[in-house]
Amino acid sequence: DAGVIQSPRHEVTEMGQEVTLRCKPISGHNSLFWYRQTMMRGLELLIYFNNNVPIDDSGMPEDRFSAKMPNASFSTLKIQPSEPRDSAVYFCASSLGRGSIQETQYFGPGTRLLVL
Amino acid sequence: LAKTTQPISMDSYEGQEVNITCSHNNIATNDYITWYQQFPSQGPRFIIQGYKTKVTNEVASLFIPADRKSSTLSLPRVSLSDTAVYYCLVGGGRDTGRRALTFGSGTRLQVQP
Repeated sequence: DAGVIQSPRHEVTEMGQEVTLRCKPISGHNSLFWYRQTMMRGLELLIYFNNNVPIDDSGMPEDRFSAKMPNASFSTLKIQPSEPRDSAVYFCASSLGRGSIQETQYFGPGTRLLVL
Repeated sequence: LAKTTQPISMDSYEGQEVNITCSHNNIATNDYITWYQQFPSQGPRFIIQGYKTKVTNEVASLFIPADRKSSTLSLPRVSLSDTAVYYCLVGGGRDTGRRALTFGSGTRLQVQP
């Protein structure tokens, strides 16, 4: 298996622009997680899905952030409009999703976002 | 909530055994203890998970005392490639929610030659 796939790997944009990050989970995994990592705040959970349904989005910073999972093999995280403080590495992870939140998560390589 | 506390950083030399302890005084009955490893510019990677006593795999050992209020990740004979950040997570079961996904600050292990 190719593992969790994220695109783009790097993104540089200007403040105010829309940014869309993409994730393809491991085939057969039913849970998907979006994290954000910065030096100041560490690794933070933004939102997670189970069977394509958002379960907990309380970590989404504000209305500028939105996430969707239209099917089992694809998810997007959108920031609109982007701000410099959104600069971070965004990770997507997936797990089998059999019910336990403590299942092993498999992380993607991350998207390094820089908002100028 | 079962908050975890780990040392911010540790230093070691190649060939030594490294033990990283995580405190989780408020661990719940159904909680598991999971450790992840993160190399620079990569996502975290699962190392080991346990509930009680001792668990061992090809990478590490996890020691959990009877009261489960702490756990120790043991890395035998570390090498330079073990330089990474190590995270301890506590949670489990259907009702845990996001607290099981709180990575915290982790422990930055630096292995020197």
